[in-house]
Amino acid sequence: NAGVTQTPKFQVLKTGQSMTLQCAQDMNHNSMYWYRQDPGMGLRLIYYSASEGTTDKGEVPNGYNVSRLNKREFSLRLESAAPSQTSVYFCASTVQGRAFFGQGTRLTVV
Amino acid sequence: RKEVEQDPGPFNVPEGATVAFNCTYSNSASQSFFWYRQDCRKEPKLLMSVYSSGNEDGRFTAQLNRASQYISLLIRDSKLSDSATYLCAVFSTGGGNKLTFGTGTQLKVEL
Repeated sequence: NAGVTQTPKFQVLKTGQSMTLQCAQDMNHNSMYWYRQDPGMGLRLIYYSASEGTTDKGEVPNGYNVSRLNKREFSLRLESAAPSQTSVYFCASTVQGRAFFGQGTRLTVV
Repeated sequence: RKEVEQDPGPFNVPEGATVAFNCTYSNSASQSFFWYRQDCRKEPKLLMSVYSSGNEDGRFTAQLNRASQYISLLIRDSKLSDSATYLCAVFSTGGGNKLTFGTGTQLKVEL
């Protein structure tokens, strides 16, 4: 059982570069989420998608865009990376709040 | 005010101790509540749901107080293996199935 798969696991970007973090789930969940986690800040919600075709901003959406490509996939895009976006990014899918997380992407922007 | 607030700790307790964590939330329309456990450099994993009547899973007891808008987690007979960060989470369908986490409380159980 794959659950939630995130790619890549590690990435180093230069300031101004763009990249897309991929997330896929095989549990047939409707809702998917992107969080970032910084020391002392807990999990902060970037964007979420209640169902295929819908997306909503979370607490810290600036600098990010998302695409809910289909029920399985929810990608996060950084158009012009900044050092402030250095963080660990987690994707999750949920059923009524019970979340299953991917293993995370450790992103460093230099 | 943050939607979900927790004391970040750390809580340093001896093995065998009882420890309690609290978490407050601001959205009175929140519907579901959870505790997650996160080990260092790993993804969070669901520990338990929290029900209005309170619920227990072995050494772990969770409580919900809707009137005061807080949830709690009690760990009895702490083990070294309980050392982790514990995050509370609040789920609301208003605004499209939003799942919000607290900052997490770090627990260190020592010999």
